[in-house]
Amino acid sequence: AQSVTQLGSHVSVSEGALVLLRCNYSSSVPPYLFWYVQYPNQGLQLLLKYTTGATLVKGINGFEAEFKKSETSFHLTKPSAHMSDAAEYFCAVSPVGGATNKLIFGTGTLLAVQP
Amino acid sequence: NAGVTQTPKFRVLKTGQSMTLLCAQDMNHEYMYWYRQDPGMGLRLIHYSVGEGTTAKGEVPDGYNVSRLKKQNFLLGLESAAPSQTSVYFCASSYQGWNTEAFFGQGTRLTVV
Repeated sequence: AQSVTQLGSHVSVSEGALVLLRCNYSSSVPPYLFWYVQYPNQGLQLLLKYTTGATLVKGINGFEAEFKKSETSFHLTKPSAHMSDAAEYFCAVSPVGGATNKLIFGTGTLLAVQP
Repeated sequence: NAGVTQTPKFRVLKTGQSMTLLCAQDMNHEYMYWYRQDPGMGLRLIHYSVGEGTTAKGEVPDGYNVSRLKKQNFLLGLESAAPSQTSVYFCASSYQGWNTEAFFGQGTRLTVV
């Protein structure tokens, strides 16, 4: 069965430091891949997604993610953290084709940004 | 442009009571979803709909029912609330399906005592 793993439920970085949030999926066929962000007391919003084509995907707010098939990973990065990036981040996968049409979320990573 | 609107935002229920959560979207989306969010468990799909008049079960459908009588509305019902249903519920919609962007409501925080 398709699954997604986010390593690290809490990540803390200093303002201006690199942000790296990890996501790995389990699937023999690469799925569609997404990163969503949830700010406090709000719903989720899409940061970026990978379906086909270029493996480096740029999203909103300076975030980007790279699909690496050999590593079954889709890690999220941002070169320089800002205080406003403090939020919970969810990686999600959607199987390509087949009867199991679902968007499967990871358990989330809470990002704290220290001044 | 309201997007996805959930009603109510907060609710406290007693065990055994029933209630309906309403989700409305104004983007003419075909797909609509209900998720619950619990600490350390991410979002889990309760039920979903791929179009007006259709519904399907997700990962955790037990204790919930849904209806999609109008394209823009997706209702989630709890017939007999249990403390295990204390959670934050999110409705979402998307244009075509699982590979397209999902737009989320702001959530309903439900406590069952």
